[in-house]
Amino acid sequence: GAVVSQHPSWVICKSGTSVKIECRSLDFQATTMFWYRQFPKQSLMLMATSNEGSKATYEQGVEKDKFLINHASLTLSTLTVTSAHPEDSSFYICSARKGLDTEAFFGQGTRLTVV
Amino acid sequence: AQKITQTQPGMFVQEKEAVTLDCTYDTSDQSYGLFWYKQPSSGEMIFLIYQGSYDEQNATEGRYSLNFQKARKSANLVISASQLGDSAMYFCAMREGRRSSASKIIFGSGTRLSIRP
Repeated sequence: GAVVSQHPSWVICKSGTSVKIECRSLDFQATTMFWYRQFPKQSLMLMATSNEGSKATYEQGVEKDKFLINHASLTLSTLTVTSAHPEDSSFYICSARKGLDTEAFFGQGTRLTVV
Repeated sequence: AQKITQTQPGMFVQEKEAVTLDCTYDTSDQSYGLFWYKQPSSGEMIFLIYQGSYDEQNATEGRYSLNFQKARKSANLVISASQLGDSAMYFCAMREGRRSSASKIIFGSGTRLSIRP
């Protein structure tokens, strides 16, 4: 199989604090992971591409300093939302690909609520 | 410019009927891939089916088939014999360019499918 685990599945935090979301590929090595953001009843918007051992590639309009991405190993990428504000409340979902395989496997997603 | 277009925001279908979800795409690449994902209310993204741009035959996976019309740049998903559990959001997605571990997958706006008993 190809399992991607995302943690936590939901989190509530106070405005101004930082939140870290983990994305792990449990049974395969993922040289590249992708982070998406999804607002209610909307599509998935790609935020950044996370490459193991190098800096992430951010999509246009995504603040690098606000959404810190670290891909420390072939099985783990983290997204840290720094100084969170209510407008950062959203569903964040990661995906990983096994090398050149066609489909990307998704984590369960993290619902972030900033109060 | 929108690269993946899903023109049906919502659809209602009677159980056991077949349903077609529309998807058109725009790319100048010769090599690309098309996907369909299902997203239930729980939020996870479930891979359904994949079609490569050079694949001559339409992809099929159980009750799912992809009606690939390259000249029209359309990749419609057909679900045969719909079931109540098929009620979910369905996203069409595209990987642009040659297959590589870093090639991005972008998504359409989605279609919410509701199956009536």
